[in-house]
Amino acid sequence: DTAVSQTPKYLVTQMGNDKSIKCEQNLGHDTMYWYKQDSKKFLKIMFSYNNKELIINETVPNRFSPKSPDKAHLNLHINSLELGDSAVYFCASSQLGQGENTGELFFGEGSRLTVL
Amino acid sequence: AQKVTQAQTEISVVEKEDVTLDCVYETRDTTYYLFWYKQPPSGELVFLIRRNSFDEQNEISGRYSWNFQKSTSSFNFTITASQVVDSAVYFCALNRNAGNMLTFGGGTRLMVKP
Repeated sequence: DTAVSQTPKYLVTQMGNDKSIKCEQNLGHDTMYWYKQDSKKFLKIMFSYNNKELIINETVPNRFSPKSPDKAHLNLHINSLELGDSAVYFCASSQLGQGENTGELFFGEGSRLTVL
Repeated sequence: AQKVTQAQTEISVVEKEDVTLDCVYETRDTTYYLFWYKQPPSGELVFLIRRNSFDEQNEISGRYSWNFQKSTSSFNFTITASQVVDSAVYFCALNRNAGNMLTFGGGTRLMVKP
């Protein structure tokens, strides 16, 4: 069973379109994240949700809107796609607080978005 | 603010050589966690190790070993007798105690040639 799953794995679209990437985790974690990896491999956090509430928003353009219908899902919707949005987007989850896995994030396989 | 620096952007070695990947971090927290992740050409992020700030014991796992030194804020990763399958981008990362934001270094691309 995949712990953190993202769909689609690949997405090719035209500039100006709107697209969504979905993420689901079956680990029972209370916190989910979106990270962006650019062409130079830099990994940067975009958003973090804890129990469906936004707790981190790292100066991401308003065109990006995360939605968390429940704590097992965190979707990323992107409006008016631009060339610079081309990247690999990773979803992750973790359980905040003390415990064996404190601080450890579990990542999905990534979704490669290409904007033409 | 937290920061992780991996000064080596790319390393190339020949199979069976030992190689050390450097990682230096900055944080004001007294309790924190350090990680190494591997990203093979297939693209997924593979968890390798997690280290608590209060546990400076070095760790060895097969051909992998990690050297954590709080005095120099470093958490270096050594691969002994490297193999072609070790070719990947390796990321060092830092998280706060019960934290909710993993800060990554820029990654080191390791190429192991046969």
